[in-house]
Amino acid sequence: AQSVTQPDIHITVSEGASLELRCNYSYGATPYLFWYVQSPGQGLQLLLKYFSGDTLVQGIKGFEAEFKRSQSSFNLRKPSVHWSDAAEYFCAVGAAIQGAQKLVFGQGTRLTINP
Amino acid sequence: SAVISQKPSRDICQRGTSLTIQCQVDSQVTMMFWYRQQPGQSLTLIATANQGSEATYESGFVIDKFPISRPNLTFSTLTVSNMSPEDSSIYLCSVGGFDGYTFGSGTRLTVV
Repeated sequence: AQSVTQPDIHITVSEGASLELRCNYSYGATPYLFWYVQSPGQGLQLLLKYFSGDTLVQGIKGFEAEFKRSQSSFNLRKPSVHWSDAAEYFCAVGAAIQGAQKLVFGQGTRLTINP
Repeated sequence: SAVISQKPSRDICQRGTSLTIQCQVDSQVTMMFWYRQQPGQSLTLIATANQGSEATYESGFVIDKFPISRPNLTFSTLTVSNMSPEDSSIYLCSVGGFDGYTFGSGTRLTVV
């Protein structure tokens, strides 16, 4: 069955430090992969997506993610975080389930930024 | 990408009552999705709403508790019926496909 695992529930980094959020997926076919960000009291905003092609994808707000099929991973990275990056981050896989396209979300990683 | 207007943004309701959440999309879409996000949790799909047919509910969600309407290609409602404190969550609607999903800003529901 399709699933997404985000091993880190909560991460704290200092402003200006680099960031990597982990995501592992389980899906039998070629995955459609997404990263979303949810700021407090806000809806979800798409950071980036991967369908095919170049395994390193660039997103908004300086984020990037790398698809590694051999590791079933799609980790999110940012070279230097800003205080405004504090939010909840969700990895998701697009799966064809019973003939319908659906998003399956990971548990989320809450990012805290230390000044 | 589509723009979704969702309302209300928040509400506090008495147990035993019902709340209807509305989502308006600025373009015609085939499918609309309704999610629940319980406190501190991830998003769980409640149902998929296609215009002109009954909504398809995920395991653990039933039509009597979460009736959905989809009268046209730009609008849908989700009703949370006979509410209990366990229904306190954020409810979000979404549209799109594997080229990218757009989400409404959510309805934060507190049941007292």
